[in-house]
Amino acid sequence: NAGVTQTPKFQVLKTGQSMTLQCAQDMNHEYMSWYRQDPGMGLRLIHYSVGAGITDQGEVPNGYNVSRSTTEDFPLRLLSAAPSQTSVYFCASRPLRGLDPYEQYFGPGTRLTVT
Amino acid sequence: GNSVTQMEGPVTLSEEAFLTINCTYTATGYPSLFWYVQYPGEGLQLLLKATKADDKGSNKGFEATYRKETTSFHLEKGSVQVSDSAVYFCALSERGSWGKLQFGAGTQVVVTP
Repeated sequence: NAGVTQTPKFQVLKTGQSMTLQCAQDMNHEYMSWYRQDPGMGLRLIHYSVGAGITDQGEVPNGYNVSRSTTEDFPLRLLSAAPSQTSVYFCASRPLRGLDPYEQYFGPGTRLTVT
Repeated sequence: GNSVTQMEGPVTLSEEAFLTINCTYTATGYPSLFWYVQYPGEGLQLLLKATKADDKGSNKGFEATYRKETTSFHLEKGSVQVSDSAVYFCALSERGSWGKLQFGAGTQVVVTP
């Protein structure tokens, strides 16, 4: 199992550009989520999904879109990048059923800089 | 709303010293509590968890006890190693929330030889 993978690892954007951060998992997890990590603020939930075709907003959804067409993939789209979106982005997944439903598995992160 | 407060870092220790990182929470319900660890350049990994009052989570020599009366979940380790240098996050998840995590700000721990 590769676990949770994210691409790219690093990205620099100019203000106003759009891009998609990719996230994939091969553990057949129903639940997937996106967090952003900012200094002194921990991780904050952007969007999450409990299965293909089902998404919902987290704590800080503005400026981001998501879709979930397959169980494996959960891309995060920045529609018009702003400097305030400079952050490290983590994707996470977990099963909704099974012996241990509590642990979330995190990807290695994407470091995004918007100039 | 829910919140998690943990002590600010960085915490700098010598090898074999005792480590405590304080974590307190506020929650409307009866949450599960977690400690996640982030090693340099990596994503987060679950370190330990507790799902009800008085539960003790433990892993890799780390321990934390779910204290409902003081709404706390302090992380401890009796003898740290250089390899324990990392950022530690306290987090909670309310029942019925699909497991959404509410994180504290994180505490950087630096262990020197």
